[in-house]
Amino acid sequence: AQRVTQPEKLLSVFKGAPVELKCNYSYSGSPELFWYVQYSRQRLQLLLRHISRESIKGFTADLNKGETSFHLKKPFAQEEDSAMYYCALSVVGYSSASKIIFGSGTRLSIRP
Amino acid sequence: NAGVTQTPKFQVLKTGQSMTLQCAQDMNHEYMSWYRQDPGMGLRLIHYSVGAGITDQGEVPNGYNVSRSTTEDFPLRLLSAAPSQTSVYFCASASRVTEAFFGQGTRLTVV
Repeated sequence: AQRVTQPEKLLSVFKGAPVELKCNYSYSGSPELFWYVQYSRQRLQLLLRHISRESIKGFTADLNKGETSFHLKKPFAQEEDSAMYYCALSVVGYSSASKIIFGSGTRLSIRP
Repeated sequence: NAGVTQTPKFQVLKTGQSMTLQCAQDMNHEYMSWYRQDPGMGLRLIHYSVGAGITDQGEVPNGYNVSRSTTEDFPLRLLSAAPSQTSVYFCASASRVTEAFFGQGTRLTVV
């Protein structure tokens, strides 16, 4: 079965420290992975997707098929990074359209 | 550009009452879905649809019904509300080439 696992419910780091939010997935097909972010009192929004291979707000994520991981990283945390982060997997269904499965989320708290 | 619109934003129900959460998107996305967000549980998929007339169950479908008569709308019906359905509900839509776009959420309390 398809599954997304985020082992950390809460991650607290100091401003300027490196950040790594872990994400592991289980999927037999070719995965399409995303990171979404939810700032306080706002709707979820896309942070980045693995196929674009770009850096957004200083965050990067590399798909490691061997380890089935898609960890989110930032070298220097900023206070405005405090938010809820969700890793998500897009699963191609029988009609070639996809359903999107989310992990349980990690709350990132940046201490001044 | 409205994107994904959910109504209402807040709702309080008594146990046993029924109601419908509305979701509409104006991006012509074929994929629409409903999630519930609970502390420590993340986003759990309730129901989803890959096109008009096609729906399927997600991870936690019990107590909820959906229908997809048009591409734009995907309402979620609570048949007989229970306190366990107290949650924040999010509707999302996507196409085969885009990421998911989310509504603002509906905070539902069942007393």
